Formats: sequence, structure tokens, C-alpha cells
Amino acid sequence: EDQVTQSPEALRLQEGESSSLNCSYTVSGLRGLFWYRQDPGKGPEFLFTLYSAGEEKEKERLKATLTKKESFLHITAPKPEDSATYLCAVPANRDDKIIFGKGTRLHILP
Amino acid sequence: DGGITQSPKYLFRKEGQNVTLSCEQNLNHDAMYWYRQDPGQGLRLIYYSQIVNDFQKGDIAEGYSVSREKKESFPLTVTSAQKNPTAFYLCASASSGANVLTFGAGSRLTVL
Repeated sequence: EDQVTQSPEALRLQEGESSSLNCSYTVSGLRGLFWYRQDPGKGPEFLFTLYSAGEEKEKERLKATLTKKESFLHITAPKPEDSATYLCAVPANRDDKIIFGKGTRLHILP
Repeated sequence: DGGITQSPKYLFRKEGQNVTLSCEQNLNHDAMYWYRQDPGQGLRLIYYSQIVNDFQKGDIAEGYSVSREKKESFPLTVTSAQKNPTAFYLCASASSGANVLTFGAGSRLTVL
């Protein structure tokens, strides 16, 4: 069964304390892995797409990486405005569904 | 500006009533999706549509219905058969084959 698992469920960091969020997937024939940011009470916003192992994408303090089984979202020297829920998603193998993980709630303390 | 508009943003209904959530997009996207989000549950797929007049059930379709009569519109009806309808509902769209979703701002439904 196609599945996406994110860890940790929640993460509290001090401002400037770097860390990584994990997204592991069990989809054969990966057709892209997608990261989104969601602020409370709002719809998710697209961050990155990764297609092949070894690929990296960067945006400000965020860097996404991809291996054959998982993706990491690295946050370097985060600021309070980086606080949000980060969601990972992959297209299903056999149909047009897009499957999301449960997300990681990130809280950056000033 | 192009985007997805969901309405209403907040909706209160009594138990046993059907409610319809609106989703309109002007991005010329072929595919549209409805997700439900509950605390700690992530996004769960309710229905999706790749083309006009065609749609497929997602993972939690029971108690919901949709229509896709126009490319721009994909309304979701939450019927009285849905046992626990209180949730945050998100509509999204994507270009054909692109898989990158653009989301609306969401509709929060509370059943009293």
C-alpha cells in the first residue's frame, strides 16, 4: 500500500537552532515528492518538488533532499516566522491520488 | 490574480442537514481535489476529478458527494450520512499530469 510517514509529529526549537524533518514513503516508481507549508487555519502552500535520489532544492532557510526511501527538510537557523506545519506528499503508484503524510508541526521559540 | 476560491470560510449546521461547500478555480487546471483535515490526521482525500463530468472516490468518500459540470467548479456536498462532518475542508487543483497542488483557503464546517 502506498504510504507517507512524517516524523516527528511536533518539534519545538529555539530561534537559530537548526534541525531536520523526515518524510519516508513506500511508493514504487516515485513520480515526485512534494513539500508544503501550512499556517494555522489556511490552505497549504507549495514549497518544493523532488524527483530523483540525490536531488536538492533550497529556499531561504529551507533545504529539501531526497533518497530512494525518504526525504528530509533541513531548517537552518530558523526564525519564529518559520513556525508552521510542514506536509509531505507523493502521487500514488496506480491512480491519480496524491497522498499526504500527517505533517510535522514546527514551533520556533524567539 | 489566478487562484482557488472556497466558500463559505465558516459554516455552522445542525445535525442531519446537508451542506454544500463551493470550490471555484480560474487557473485553467484540469484536476481538482477535496481533502478533509482533522487535528493530528493530516489531509485525507475525499473525491477527485481529472476531467469535466468525471470524478473518483478517494479514501473517505462515504457520506459525501460531488459534481464536476464545469472545469472551474467542483462543489462538495456533506450529506446527513456523514457520521462526523465537523472538520476543515480543503479544495485543490492541479494542471494535468503536474501533481503540484494549489489549495484554497479552506472551509471550516461545524455541525452542532
